This record gives sequence, C-alpha cells and structure tokens, in this order.
Amino acid sequence: EADIYQTPRYLVIGTGKKITLECSQTMGHDKMYWYQQDPGMELHLIHYSYGVNSTEKGDLSSESTVSRIRTEHFPLTLESARPSHTSQYLCASSESQLRNTIYFGEGSWLTVV
Amino acid sequence: GENVEQHPSTLSVQEGDSAVIKCTYSDSASNYFPWYKQELGKRPQLIIDIRSNVGEKKDQRIAVTLNKTAKHFSLHITETQPEDSAVYFCAASRGTSGTYKYIFGTGTRLKVLA
Repeated sequence: EADIYQTPRYLVIGTGKKITLECSQTMGHDKMYWYQQDPGMELHLIHYSYGVNSTEKGDLSSESTVSRIRTEHFPLTLESARPSHTSQYLCASSESQLRNTIYFGEGSWLTVV
Repeated sequence: GENVEQHPSTLSVQEGDSAVIKCTYSDSASNYFPWYKQELGKRPQLIIDIRSNVGEKKDQRIAVTLNKTAKHFSLHITETQPEDSAVYFCAASRGTSGTYKYIFGTGTRLKVLA
C-alpha cells in the first residue's frame, strides 16, 4: 500500500547523542518535507526537497540536516541532540502535479533527556 | 512573508450543532486550499480541498467555501458528532510551478460536547 513510513516512531535519547529519523515513501512523489510539531500545535516546516539532491531549509530554524539521495528516502539527522529538540517530527510528501496535496507520515516522537 | 490566519483557535460546540472555522490567506497567487484533521496522537489527514476556480465544495457533513476576492475560505461541519473532535488545519498553496509554497494555518481545536 502506498504510504509514508517513519522510523523510529518513538525514541528517548540522551543529550549529545546523534540521531537519524528515517522517512521513506512509496507514493512516487517528488516533493518531501519535514515538519516539527508539538502536540496539537502548529506545523512548522523545517526542511523540504523538490527532488534528488535538492534540499532547502524551511521557515523554522532547525539544527537538523537532511539529505535526498534517493527519491523515496528523506532522512533527518540531529548531530547532537538537546532537550529543546524534544518534539514530534512529521515527514510528508506531495506530487508535482496540479493536485499537490501533502500527505503525512505517522510521525516520530523524540524525547531528549 | 505570506501567511494564513486561522480562527478561532479553540471551538466548543454541542453535538448536533454546526461548526465553522475560518482562514484568511495573504498570497493572492494561492490556488489550492486543503483542510486537514488531526486526531489526538495521529497524523494530519486531508478531509476536503478546494481549488480557486470553485466557490464551494461539499462532502456529506463537511463543506468548504472560498471567497477569492476577500481571500477567505471556511470549513463548515454540520450535525457535529463526538468523533469530529480534533485539531483542524487549513492551508493555502500556490501550486507546483515557480516558488512552491504550502502554508498552514495555526490550527483550531474543535471539541464536540456530547
């Protein structure tokens, strides 16, 4: 079934650790996004990509980095996690057609202690 | 920069009543307006969308209206049910060409009281 898959779904890590949140989509979409969201609050765009080897920073400044080596894969990395990074991270994708609806993954809940 | 204002931030209605959420966008080039519902602990999911060449769209108890001149669009939920309780986000997008932007509103927490 076409979907957006995120791993891990839940993670608790210590301060200073490096973490990579994985995101893969089988939707065949060109555009991919990472949003940061505290529970029930605003969706903040932190990174987006229009295609392979294309990455841009979003509206909310983030210490994370992303890469897009394959169309279906868009991982997000935090080199040194801090408690302020505790949040939910939502990966999303959209097609490059007229109906450019964004579809979200189930999210990765990150807690940094 | 472009933004989307969404009101109200919280809304409580009695079961069976109607709920209306309003959004205003600033980018006049926006041409696609989706609405998402996010239940507690779940991902945002598309519930209805409308394009700039249409003034109104309805899907069972949910409808969306668009006023391009005023740059307003609204979500209407009739005969509300407890399962409608969620956070709703509007968004405005200018399409796929040029500087592509997808801007979300700040969300409305809807509570349907049984």
